[in-house]
Amino acid sequence: SQTIHQWPATLVQPVGSPLSLECTVEGTSNPNLYWYRQAAGRGLQLLFYSVGIGQISSEVPQNLSASRPQDRQFILSSKKLLLSDSGFYLCAWGGLAGGGGEQFFGPGTRLTVL
Amino acid sequence: GENVEQHPSTLSVQEGDSAVIKCTYSDSASNYFPWYKQELGKGPQLIIDIRSNVGEKKDQRIAVTLNKTAKHFSLHITETQPEDSAVYFCAASKGSARQLTFGSGTQLTVLP
Repeated sequence: SQTIHQWPATLVQPVGSPLSLECTVEGTSNPNLYWYRQAAGRGLQLLFYSVGIGQISSEVPQNLSASRPQDRQFILSSKKLLLSDSGFYLCAWGGLAGGGGEQFFGPGTRLTVL
Repeated sequence: GENVEQHPSTLSVQEGDSAVIKCTYSDSASNYFPWYKQELGKGPQLIIDIRSNVGEKKDQRIAVTLNKTAKHFSLHITETQPEDSAVYFCAASKGSARQLTFGSGTQLTVLP
């Protein structure tokens, strides 16, 4: 079966510091990978998605970036965090063989920028 | 692009009663409609989904109905229990697309 991991689970960072969040998927090959942010409240905002190694699509202009160095690894980064970057960051995978658009979410990383 | 609206934003029901959450979508080409449950501090969990070639799907106490003509779909939870309390999201996508468009979420509270 497939599993998705995210770390760290929680993170407190000062404004202006760098960021690196990691997501890995097990039990599947060539998944579509997604980064979402969930700010206070409930909405899910798609930040980036990737259909393959080195292929990144950005949905929202911001000071964040994403990379996919390996098939099942997706990294969210920032060179300098802003207060507005605080939120709950969710990684998801999709592209289930024979599926029709399902996405499966990881446990999330709670980021607080002070 | 696709737009998904979800109502209500909050819903409180007594334990044992039924709960219904409704979503409408704008793109008639959308053909995949999942529902997610998100408990506090956790990632959303896919609980049921429906494709446009069926009108209803059930899984124990939960069911989803789809009206393609009216472009709306609904989540029905029967015999609600306190553990059903969570935020529920609907979403829509086209089969060939890689992205889901999410509704804004419904906070369901089941009162004991």
